[in-house]
Amino acid sequence: EAGVAQSPRYKIIEKRQSVAFWCNPISGHATLYWYQQILGQGPKLLIQFQNNGVVDDSQLPKDRFSAERLKGVDSTLKIQPAKLEDSAVYLCASSIRGGPSEKLFFGSGTQLSVL
Amino acid sequence: GNSVTQMEGPVTLSEEAFLTINCTYTATGYPSLFWYVQYPGEGLQLLLKATKADDKGSNKGFEATYRKETTSFHLEKGSVQVSDSAVYFCALISGGGADGLTFGKGTHLIIQP
Repeated sequence: EAGVAQSPRYKIIEKRQSVAFWCNPISGHATLYWYQQILGQGPKLLIQFQNNGVVDDSQLPKDRFSAERLKGVDSTLKIQPAKLEDSAVYLCASSIRGGPSEKLFFGSGTQLSVL
Repeated sequence: GNSVTQMEGPVTLSEEAFLTINCTYTATGYPSLFWYVQYPGEGLQLLLKATKADDKGSNKGFEATYRKETTSFHLEKGSVQVSDSAVYFCALISGGGADGLTFGKGTHLIIQP
């Protein structure tokens, strides 16, 4: 079974530039998550989709971050403009239905460095 | 709000030593509790979970018991191997799951031969 695919693996940009990350979840998984993991910290949820609708985006900095999940499959996360503090690993995860005790499957992440 | 506190690392042990990584939590209601592991160069993966008080999750020789009275979910293994070297994250999810997982900061475990 194919896992959660993310690209690119690494990205280096200068502050105020824009960047986009792509995620392809496991086939058939209705729920998709984007997490931000800053060095030395645990992952923090940015946004959760159920099919192509947003379930929770309360921790997404909406003035600069946006995300979409067209057709309830792939998802993109965009940052525009980037700040130094956005340097982190961005993790995508998916689960079958998003239930509270369900296992999440994580991708390998995109490591973003903002200079 | 929800929070998870776990012991800071790195934790360095010799092969075949006993392992305990402490995890305590605060949460509304009755959360489900998880341990996720990140091996070098790989993505996070679920190690074990427990969904109600006194449940014991186990996998690959690791165990953790959901202790509601002490709000803890400590990870244990009787005899660690070099291949257990990784970063371990304690996490919880509460309510209907709409808030997603809340993770601790992670504990880096290093096992020396």
